[in-house]
Amino acid sequence: AQSVAQPEDQVNVAEGNPLTVKCTYSVSGNPYLFWYVQYPNRGLQFLLKYITGDNLVKGSYGFEAEFNKSQTSFHLKKPSALVSDSALYFCAVRDSGMNRDDKIIFGKGTRLHILP
Amino acid sequence: DTGVSQDPRHKITKRGQNVTFRCDPISEHNRLYWYRQTLGQGPEFLTYFQNEAQLEKSRLLSDRFSAERPKGSFSTLEIQRTEQGDSAMYLCASTGHGKQETQYFGPGTRLLVL
Repeated sequence: AQSVAQPEDQVNVAEGNPLTVKCTYSVSGNPYLFWYVQYPNRGLQFLLKYITGDNLVKGSYGFEAEFNKSQTSFHLKKPSALVSDSALYFCAVRDSGMNRDDKIIFGKGTRLHILP
Repeated sequence: DTGVSQDPRHKITKRGQNVTFRCDPISEHNRLYWYRQTLGQGPEFLTYFQNEAQLEKSRLLSDRFSAERPKGSFSTLEIQRTEQGDSAMYLCASTGHGKQETQYFGPGTRLLVL
């Protein structure tokens, strides 16, 4: 069964500094990996995904994520944080195998605070 | 706006009452998912449909919960005899066919059971 770990409940970063939100995963086969962002009282907004190919994936709002198969990680990054990036971020994984299991499993989320 | 809509956005009910939520997915999407999210947690999978067929149900989905997608378009999630522990955000997502497809989420229905 697949699982996702987001080891940090909260990350604080000063505006303008680079940010990293960590994610590690476990699947039996090859992973499809996703990052979503959630603002208060809203649904989840898709940021980016890794399916195959280049390990560095670029997404919305200047975010990118690096897939590292050996470390089973998919950390979210941004070179220069904005106050408006403050939100709850979720990493998610799906098994790419040809089985019926089509669930996406989410991590518990990391709250990102960008300090002005 | 992702194109997935949910109704109502908020629901307050008394314990023991039945509630029903509706989700309208993106029109060309054939897969529809329901999740539950409690405070401080990520979304937890409840069930999903491919067209009108319900393909999987989580153990979280007790017999008080039922979901339907009768014509393969919109879906409803009903909770019978609500309990205070049912208080949560109920999220719906839709996607096209294929595991590489992105799930797009609706704004959610926040349920409060008094």
